[in-house]
Amino acid sequence: AQKITQTQPGMFVQEKEAVTLDCTYDTSDQSYGLFWYKQPSSGEMIFLIYQGSYDEQNATEGRYSLNFQKARKSANLVISASQLGDSAMYFCAMRDPLGGADGLTFGKGTHLIIQP
Amino acid sequence: KAGVTQTPRYLIKTRGQQVTLSCSPISGHRSVSWYQQTPGQGLQFLFEYFSETQRNKGNFPGRFSGRQFSNSRSEMNVSTLELGDSALYLCASSRNSADTQYFGPGTRLTVL
Repeated sequence: AQKITQTQPGMFVQEKEAVTLDCTYDTSDQSYGLFWYKQPSSGEMIFLIYQGSYDEQNATEGRYSLNFQKARKSANLVISASQLGDSAMYFCAMRDPLGGADGLTFGKGTHLIIQP
Repeated sequence: KAGVTQTPRYLIKTRGQQVTLSCSPISGHRSVSWYQQTPGQGLQFLFEYFSETQRNKGNFPGRFSGRQFSNSRSEMNVSTLELGDSALYLCASSRNSADTQYFGPGTRLTVL
């Protein structure tokens, strides 16, 4: 079974600072995919970034980057130059890239608040 | 390209009733997955459909069911509603079962 752990229930960060959101995972699979989603108060889950277990380079998408450390089973999200609009819940998720039986497995999330 | 749409956005029902939620995937996406989100249990996988076939189902009672149509639109049904079914129900679509899932805005169901 797959498991995602997000140890930061909430974070307060000053605007324009960089933010690191922690995510550790547990799986016995050799092949898997890791995802980060953002959920504003409106409820919609917004896809941010993806990292495959065999990808040698860390994924980047604009201000988002994924610090992937396979041996430590961690996939931390880094947001550079945070903005007020980044305030939201952030979820780390994983799944079998071949389309595993349980869909996406999500962590409990981190509530990020950007302060002006 | 239009995103995933879900209808209705909000729903209030009473215990014992049944409800049907609808999801229209992104054009060209053939896989639709459903998730339930509650404050206590977080995000939980309900089921996934691909080409009108249920591929996988999460650990939910038989009161939760779904289907997918030939145009990839999907519906989920919950019968004999219980107070604990109050939740945000999220639908996600992807090109295939292994691809990145893109979510809709969700349907917020309240059971009184």
